[in-house]
Amino acid sequence: EIVLTQSPGTLSLSVGERATLSCRASQSVSSSYFAWYQQKPGQAPRLLIYGASSRATDIPDRFSGSGSGTDFTLTISRLEPEDFAVYYCQQYRSSPWTFGQGTKLEIK
Amino acid sequence: QVQLVESGGGVVQPGRSLRLSCAASGFTFSSSGMHWVRQAPGKGLEWVAVIWSDGSNENYADSVKGRFTISRDNSRKTLYLQMNSLTAEDTAVYYCARDLGGRPFDVWGQGTVVTVSS
Repeated sequence: EIVLTQSPGTLSLSVGERATLSCRASQSVSSSYFAWYQQKPGQAPRLLIYGASSRATDIPDRFSGSGSGTDFTLTISRLEPEDFAVYYCQQYRSSPWTFGQGTKLEIK
Repeated sequence: QVQLVESGGGVVQPGRSLRLSCAASGFTFSSSGMHWVRQAPGKGLEWVAVIWSDGSNENYADSVKGRFTISRDNSRKTLYLQMNSLTAEDTAVYYCARDLGGRPFDVWGQGTVVTVSS
C-alpha cells in the first residue's frame, strides 16, 4: 500500500498570500496517477488537479500542481476567501487507492 | 447534468446490515468504474471499494474485506454497497465516486451518513 503523508497538518495564511502544500509518498508514484482534492465543510470533495499538474474543469489558474516520484506540491498563488478548506492528495495508480490525511488551510 | 445521489444511510445497531445505493444520471454509467469512499467524523478520506464498469471485477480495502460487497445494476444506473457485520468503526459519511478508467474521482455524490450505535 502506498502511504501518502501531507504537510503541514494546518496552514494559517491570509487572503492574497501564497500557499504551498506538500504530499510525500512512501514509494514512487507515476505522476500520471496523482491528484489533489479540495473539501469544504459539509461538502463532498472536489477534484482540483489530476496527473500531478493538470487542472480539472473550471478550476481557477491560481491552483497549480507539480512534482514527481515521491514528492508532490499543490500551490495556490494568491489565496481567495473561498480557498480556505481541507486539501487531500491521492494516488490512483493501483489498489488500494489511497489519500493523504489532509492539510487544513485556515484564515490567519 | 452529471450527478450521483446516494441513499440508504441511517442509524444501525452493531452487527446488523445496511445497503447503500448511488443513483447516477447525466453520463454513461455502464462505461464508468465506480468507487465508495468514506469519511469518519472529523477524519480524512478512506477508500472503501471499487467495481469495474461491467461489474467483472471488484476490490476492497482490508478494513471492509469479507464484510462489504460492492455491486451495480447498469440497467438501473445504480451502484450498491452491502454492508454486513457493522461496527462503530464503520460510522462515516459514505460517498460514491466516478472513475473513467485509470482516472481520478471526477464526480462525487453528496454523501449518505451511516451511524453504527446501540
